[in-house]
Amino acid sequence: GAGVSQSPSNKVTEKGKDVELRCDPISGHTALYWYRQSLGQGLEFLIYFQGNSAPDKSGLPSDRFSAERTGGSVSTLTIQRTQQEDSAVYLCASSPVMTSGSSNEQFFGPGTRLTVL
Amino acid sequence: GNSVTQMEGPVTLSEEAFLTINCTYTATGYPSLFWYVQYPGEGLQLLLKATKADDKGSNKGFEATYRKETTSFHLEKGSVQVSDSAVYFCALSEDGYGGSQGNLIFGKGTKLSVKP
Repeated sequence: GAGVSQSPSNKVTEKGKDVELRCDPISGHTALYWYRQSLGQGLEFLIYFQGNSAPDKSGLPSDRFSAERTGGSVSTLTIQRTQQEDSAVYLCASSPVMTSGSSNEQFFGPGTRLTVL
Repeated sequence: GNSVTQMEGPVTLSEEAFLTINCTYTATGYPSLFWYVQYPGEGLQLLLKATKADDKGSNKGFEATYRKETTSFHLEKGSVQVSDSAVYFCALSEDGYGGSQGNLIFGKGTKLSVKP
């Protein structure tokens, strides 16, 4: 079956503009995660959605970052008023419902490379 | 808070050499532990995992054992190949049990280059 897909694969924007990044998780996966991979910081958790529960936003670096997940499937990560330090690869991952005692295996998409000029 | 520390790279080895990439963690509770691999130009892929103490994860000739007493999950392979050249990330999940799922906390990554 299809894996996690993300679009666009590359995005170049000017400082101060807003950007939207899209993630299509694996069908049937209830958990969805956004991470950021940058040279200086490595892989950082941003936000987590689980079913209809309120998202865990504890990793979002500022209030310029937000995300939503419509219908429990597709997710959009929005960055407002982009800054140069937002340049990174944004990764999405999804995970199926886990039974008690099972591990949290996440399946990653190819990422969106964001460059803020 | 929870964290993962792995050896800094890059690591350069000759083909058929023995590989060890060290990984230690700090966590409350009972995390699951993972090694992810990122081949050049590709996305992150799960390499192996272990969900409880003394478990050994293995895949593609790679192994790692969950050592609670030393809070370690070192990655090993007896004979590396050129095709193993990639960046390797050690990670933990804060919720290993109970059906709830948490985010992954990653180490900084170790770049491995294998020369023929």
